[in-house]
Amino acid sequence: DAGVIQSPRHEVTEMGQEVTLRCKPISGHNSLFWYRQTMMRGLELLIYFNNNVPIDDSGMPEDRFSAKMPNASFSTLKIQPSEPRDSAVYFCASLGPAYEQYFGPGTRLTVT
Amino acid sequence: AQSVTQPDIHITVSEGASLELRCNYSYGATPYLFWYVQSPGQGLQLLLKYFSGDTLVQGIKGFEAEFKRSQSSFNLRKPSVHWSDAAEYFCALRGGNYQLIWGAGTKLIIKP
Repeated sequence: DAGVIQSPRHEVTEMGQEVTLRCKPISGHNSLFWYRQTMMRGLELLIYFNNNVPIDDSGMPEDRFSAKMPNASFSTLKIQPSEPRDSAVYFCASLGPAYEQYFGPGTRLTVT
Repeated sequence: AQSVTQPDIHITVSEGASLELRCNYSYGATPYLFWYVQSPGQGLQLLLKYFSGDTLVQGIKGFEAEFKRSQSSFNLRKPSVHWSDAAEYFCALRGGNYQLIWGAGTKLIIKP
């Protein structure tokens, strides 16, 4: 298996622009998690899906952030409009059979 | 309350020396516990997991961890570290709804 796939790996954008991050989980995994990692706050859970349904989005910072999972093999995290404080590494992870999470390589977002 | 504590923010060891990274947890029932490693600029990789059975768990890259219920600990060990082991190590506990409760991480520095 190719593992969890994320794109793009790096994104540089200007404040106010829309940013879309993409994730393809491991085939057969039914739960998907979006995280954000910064030096200041460490690893934060933003939202997670089970069987394509959002279960807990309490970690989403504000209405500028939205996430979707239209099918079992694809999810997006969108930021609109982006702000410099959104600069971080965003990870997607999918849940294995023993409750372990498998992480993608991350998307490094820089908002200038 | 469910929590994970990694008391050491940084640890420095010499190459070839043994390593032990500490992890303490708080959980009411039998925990599912995990260790992850994050190399600079990379995603998080699962090293090993425990949820039942033998309390000494073997993982990848020569790591092992021992679950001690009486001490609420799940310490990670390696008999001889290599320079490539320099990374940040995270201990995690499965919480409700399949979410992981993360420790703050321990940064491992290897002295030549």
